[in-house]
Amino acid sequence: AQSVTQLGSHVSVSEGALVLLRCNYSSSVPPYLFWYVQYPNQGLQLLLKYTSAATLVKGINGFEAEFKKSETSFHLTKPSAHMSDAAEYFCAVSVTGNTPLVFGKGTRLSVIA
Amino acid sequence: NAGVTQTPKFQVLKTGQSMTLQCAQDMNHNSMYWYRQDPGMGLRLIYYSASEGTTDKGEVPNGYNVSRLNKREFSLRLESAAPSQTSVYFCASSSPRLRPQETQYFGPGTRLLVL
Repeated sequence: AQSVTQLGSHVSVSEGALVLLRCNYSSSVPPYLFWYVQYPNQGLQLLLKYTSAATLVKGINGFEAEFKKSETSFHLTKPSAHMSDAAEYFCAVSVTGNTPLVFGKGTRLSVIA
Repeated sequence: NAGVTQTPKFQVLKTGQSMTLQCAQDMNHNSMYWYRQDPGMGLRLIYYSASEGTTDKGEVPNGYNVSRLNKREFSLRLESAAPSQTSVYFCASSSPRLRPQETQYFGPGTRLLVL
């Protein structure tokens, strides 16, 4: 069965600093990978997704993620953090049409002025 | 388009009471899902419906029932609420069918407190 591990339940960065949120997956077949963001008291919205077209995926709000099969990773990055990036971020994996998304436990990102 | 809507937004129940959480989507999606979100646990799938007329259990189905009323609506029922069911509940949908690369669209959530 597939699974997702997000390293670090809470990450804190200074405004303007690099954002790096880590996600590792476990899957015996090629996965589809997603990053979702949740702002306070809201539902989740898609940031970006990997569907095997390209290993470097660009998403909304300046975020991008790189699929690395050898490392079974799909880390999320943004060159320069903004205060509005403060939210909870979820990595998720799906491998077959009959299995819905499996989510990681989430990483809360704080941005310090 | 309203997207995915959920009612109510907030509910307080006493142990043993029952209630139904409502979810509707106006995107003509085939697949719909119910998740619960608890601190430090991420989102866990309760039930899902790949298409109208079908439902399947997810990771944490105990204590819940679902009904896919029609293509638009997917309800979640708690027959006898327990404090362990205190959580935030999210409904989601995806289209056109249950394919692994499809984006799920989420509702705003229902906060449930069981005393």
